[in-house]
Amino acid sequence: KNQVEQSPQSLIILEGKNCTLQCNYTVSPFSNLRWYKQDTGRGPVSLTIMTFSENTKSNGRYTATLDADTKQSSLHITASQLSDSASYICVVRGGSNYKLTFGKGTLLTVNP
Amino acid sequence: IAGITQAPTSQILAAGRRMTLRCTQDMRHNAMYWYRQDLGLGLRLIHYSNTAGTTGKGEVPDGYSVSRANTDDFPLTLASAVPSQTSVYFCASSPAGIAGGSATGELFFGEGSRLTVL
Repeated sequence: KNQVEQSPQSLIILEGKNCTLQCNYTVSPFSNLRWYKQDTGRGPVSLTIMTFSENTKSNGRYTATLDADTKQSSLHITASQLSDSASYICVVRGGSNYKLTFGKGTLLTVNP
Repeated sequence: IAGITQAPTSQILAAGRRMTLRCTQDMRHNAMYWYRQDLGLGLRLIHYSNTAGTTGKGEVPDGYSVSRANTDDFPLTLASAVPSQTSVYFCASSPAGIAGGSATGELFFGEGSRLTVL
């Protein structure tokens, strides 16, 4: 069964600190992996997409990594800001019909 | 740029009542989706439409129906609401169907409709 597991479920950090969110998946065959950011009370918005051939991709203070061999991805946030407080959702596209499999998200709280 | 517009933003509904959540997009995307988001369960697909005139069942379709009369609109109807349908509902769209031509599978979400069924 295709699954996406995210860890931790929630995380509290101080402003200015770095953090790393994890996403492990069992989806096969793999097409791509996308990280979404969901602010409280808003819809998810795509942060970055990782394809099979990509190991690292940066989007400002966000850096995503992908290890297709171990089926793991991480999202690293550098020098966190209060506006980074949100839920981060990992979504993997793949499987027999290239469907989307959603992780349950990591809730990040950045405190001043 | 509006993107996806959902209405209502929130609604309290008595059990047994009929309710339609509206969704309109202005991006001319072919595919549209309805998800529900519940604490601890994440986003789950209710129904989808790869193109106007066609619809399909997602992961949790029971108790819900959809129609796609044109490209822009994709309403979700609860024929007889039950308390377990209390949730936040998100409408989304993509340029093409996820299982087909959309190479990246990016979804564009609305802001959600919070529904409480008492």
